[in-house]
Amino acid sequence: DAMVIQNPRYQVTQFGKPVTLSCSQTLNHNVMYWYQQKSSQAPKLLFHYYDKDFNNEADTPDNFQSRRPNTSFCFLDIRSPGLGDAAMYLCATSTPPGPLNEQFFGPGTRLTVL
Amino acid sequence: AQKVTQAQTEISVVEKEDVTLDCVYETRDTTYYLFWYKQPPSGELVFLIRRNSFDEQNEISGRYSWNFQKSTSSFNFTITASQVVDSAVYFCALSPPRNAGNMLTFGGGTRLMVKP
Repeated sequence: DAMVIQNPRYQVTQFGKPVTLSCSQTLNHNVMYWYQQKSSQAPKLLFHYYDKDFNNEADTPDNFQSRRPNTSFCFLDIRSPGLGDAAMYLCATSTPPGPLNEQFFGPGTRLTVL
Repeated sequence: AQKVTQAQTEISVVEKEDVTLDCVYETRDTTYYLFWYKQPPSGELVFLIRRNSFDEQNEISGRYSWNFQKSTSSFNFTITASQVVDSAVYFCALSPPRNAGNMLTFGGGTRLMVKP
């Protein structure tokens, strides 16, 4: 039944140690998004893919990278996590924009940086 | 620039009370979409409703209803006869129609606590 799957649900890493979060979808949607959500805040868009086209938000730090090897999978790489990168990371998917468009979210990965 | 404001950061009600969550938005786009999402403690954002800017009809779905008023740039959400399971953070969001993805601008969220 799961449509947007994120693994792991909880990730602990050390300061400066690279970490990869993964997202997969069974919806065959063209667009995949990564959001960062810090405690008691709204989700903040980091970047998104429209098929293979990568779109970075202007204020997303260079420390954050993403890969989308195929339609189903998308990865978030944090090259050198800092304490400020501790957050919930949400993956979402959607079909191309249109009147019936909505985003489907995964359960998120909560990242702790020690 | 787009902006969504949810002035109520936290609301606490007793079960069976009605509660309204406010949402005010700003946009220069003439066409846009408004959304409400629910984020339960489990973390995932659950889609509740989408509204097109050309459609000002109010909508009712069970205990949920939405009041879209373009004149005041508001899209308020009412839960009738609230239940403990309604406890969650609720986000209002705005999206312009773009070619390269449906970009959501979220409000700050309203944490709703429904007490038995």
